[in-house]
Amino acid sequence: GQQVMQIPQYQHVQEGEDFTTYCNSSTTLSNIQWYKQRPGGHPVFLIQLVKSGEVKKQKRLTFQFGEAKKNSSLHITATQTTDVGTYFCAGEDNYGQNFVFGPGTRLSVLP
Amino acid sequence: EPEVTQTPSHQVTQMGQEVILRCVPISNHLYFYWYRQILGQKVEFLVSFYNNEISEKSEIFDDQFSVERPDGSNFTLKIRSTKLEDSAMYFCASSEFASDTQYFGPGTRLTVL
Repeated sequence: GQQVMQIPQYQHVQEGEDFTTYCNSSTTLSNIQWYKQRPGGHPVFLIQLVKSGEVKKQKRLTFQFGEAKKNSSLHITATQTTDVGTYFCAGEDNYGQNFVFGPGTRLSVLP
Repeated sequence: EPEVTQTPSHQVTQMGQEVILRCVPISNHLYFYWYRQILGQKVEFLVSFYNNEISEKSEIFDDQFSVERPDGSNFTLKIRSTKLEDSAMYFCASSEFASDTQYFGPGTRLTVL
């Protein structure tokens, strides 16, 4: 079945450093969504990418969908302590049958 | 590696019928959650459960929904009288601590006819 993997599992950065998490699917995706979960909170929707090679920006966050629509990345520029949390990607297959969450990347930002 | 499981993977029901969606959280986890995703839309929080009671619920989680932990392993979501708009993917998740990362199950696709 469809599998979605994320690396790294954990990332510790100093405040001000950049951060990137990578998401890889075993199958081609029709779209990919990114969620952020603050400690003690619930995953909150950040963005959806649909087109091959698509790049979207939200302030310091840059999201990219691979040309083959099997991978994606989330890059945070100049991390802040408010960026702390777990970042999940979730992908839907081309048939709209499966929507699978990645295991998440937990980000710690040291002040 | 331990994982959250959900059954069935796909449930088809008639409008007005009751459905029970089942989840087996990771065994040492204490916090349990249900989420819903209407086709093509974002995942929405429904309810969280700890120590045999609901700790938080969203406005979506109205009187037609209920959750239960009937034994030491299962966590269920019951929809009493299904409506067409209940058609969605339902995800279960669990975590060891309240502030910990949640582990998601594969989901149950509910289709209400």
